[in-house]
Amino acid sequence: AQSVTQLGSHVSVSEGALVLLRCNYSSSVPPYLFWYVQYPNQGLQLLLKYTSAATLVKGINGFEAEFKKSETSFHLTKPSAHMSDAAEYFCAVSDGANFGNEKLTFGTGTRLTIIP
Amino acid sequence: GAVVSQHPSWVICKSGTSVKIECRSLDFQATTMFWYRQFPKQSLMLMATSNEGSKATYEQGVEKDKFLINHASLTLSTLTVTSAHPEDSSFYICSANPGGTQYFGPGTRLLVL
Repeated sequence: AQSVTQLGSHVSVSEGALVLLRCNYSSSVPPYLFWYVQYPNQGLQLLLKYTSAATLVKGINGFEAEFKKSETSFHLTKPSAHMSDAAEYFCAVSDGANFGNEKLTFGTGTRLTIIP
Repeated sequence: GAVVSQHPSWVICKSGTSVKIECRSLDFQATTMFWYRQFPKQSLMLMATSNEGSKATYEQGVEKDKFLINHASLTLSTLTVTSAHPEDSSFYICSANPGGTQYFGPGTRLLVL
């Protein structure tokens, strides 16, 4: 079984400050890991994904995440927060066994607030 | 990226009626689609996996007779909430995978009065 834990249901940062959203996973097989962003009343948009290639993954909107097997972590970062980054962020894991047709398990989400 | 659409984007219905939600893959074919449910300020919970040409696979605790899924073509899956009740009010989101990554539809908000 796989699981994802997102530490901090709410995170507030000042505009221009570093964004750090934490995600730890549990998986019995090499995981595929994803970060999605959700704006109010919308579906999910893929920010980035890790699929066993480079451990540092760069995504859209200046976000990146680093896969650390020893820490079972996949934290999301952005050097400088922008007001438009305010949204809900979800970390998700799959076993990648069926190359995308497997089920995703989501974390509980982190709501990011940007302080002007 | 791949585009997944949903229709309608929102629906209000009376208790006891049935509501059909469509999920379409616009620029790719999808043999598998996923249906999720999201309550306010909560995460997505997988309801079922929709398989083209065969029966859907439901997650534990999801009533298959209440949430009917039909995947009749490679670009369309439908979720029908039968005899809807207020507790079925939620945000329903579908996803499909064009090869390695799941892409999500914009969601359908259902309000049952």
